Amino acid sequence: EAEVAQSPRYKITEKSQAVAFWCDPISGHATLYWYRQILGQGPELLVQFQDESVVDDSQLPKDRFSAERLKGVDSTLKIQPAELGDSAMYLCASSPGSGNEQFFGPGTRLTVL
Amino acid sequence: AQSVTQPDIHITVSEGASLELRCNYSYGATPYLFWYVQSPGQGLQLLLKYFSGDTLVQGIKGFEAEFKRSQSSFNLRKPSVHWSDAAEYFCAVGAEPNDYKLSFGAGTTVTVRA
Repeated sequence: EAEVAQSPRYKITEKSQAVAFWCDPISGHATLYWYRQILGQGPELLVQFQDESVVDDSQLPKDRFSAERLKGVDSTLKIQPAELGDSAMYLCASSPGSGNEQFFGPGTRLTVL
Repeated sequence: AQSVTQPDIHITVSEGASLELRCNYSYGATPYLFWYVQSPGQGLQLLLKYFSGDTLVQGIKGFEAEFKRSQSSFNLRKPSVHWSDAAEYFCAVGAEPNDYKLSFGAGTTVTVRA
């Protein structure tokens, strides 16, 4: 069964360092999402891609976060510099198109010390 | 903007007993509603969704949910829980089927005791 892949699964970093997360969506899925899930809360959408284009990044803290999906397949989310408040689970999801079921990856748990 | 409230942070239920998780939404028009489950260290898996039609929706793993417009609710139920149902459950609402932006509730953690 096809799955969304994410790496790393866990990342510990010190504040002010740069971190990057990678996501490989299900093959053929045009839409890719990055979510942030703070402990005890539901996921919050950070950015949505349709193919290689950003559709919505209104909740992405652009002063420190960036996301790209250069070839419309896999995607990278970067944080530079990391802050203590960035500690969270970062989830990637994909879907065949807007409105369809979103398939989630296992997430990357980030701890910023 | 739409929003979701899950009033119960944590529920403990005995194996074999019934389970009901509450979800209340806020949205001015017809909402599109989802329930997801998240096992420890895992991503979210869709249990069921409601877009229109029959207000009682059947999902995977023996779960069902009922949409009640008058109560702005979409409660999740299972007649008999198994130990493997221990997980965190999230209700989510979208504005329309093609609105990618889902708003999630804070989740309900379910513990199953033997």
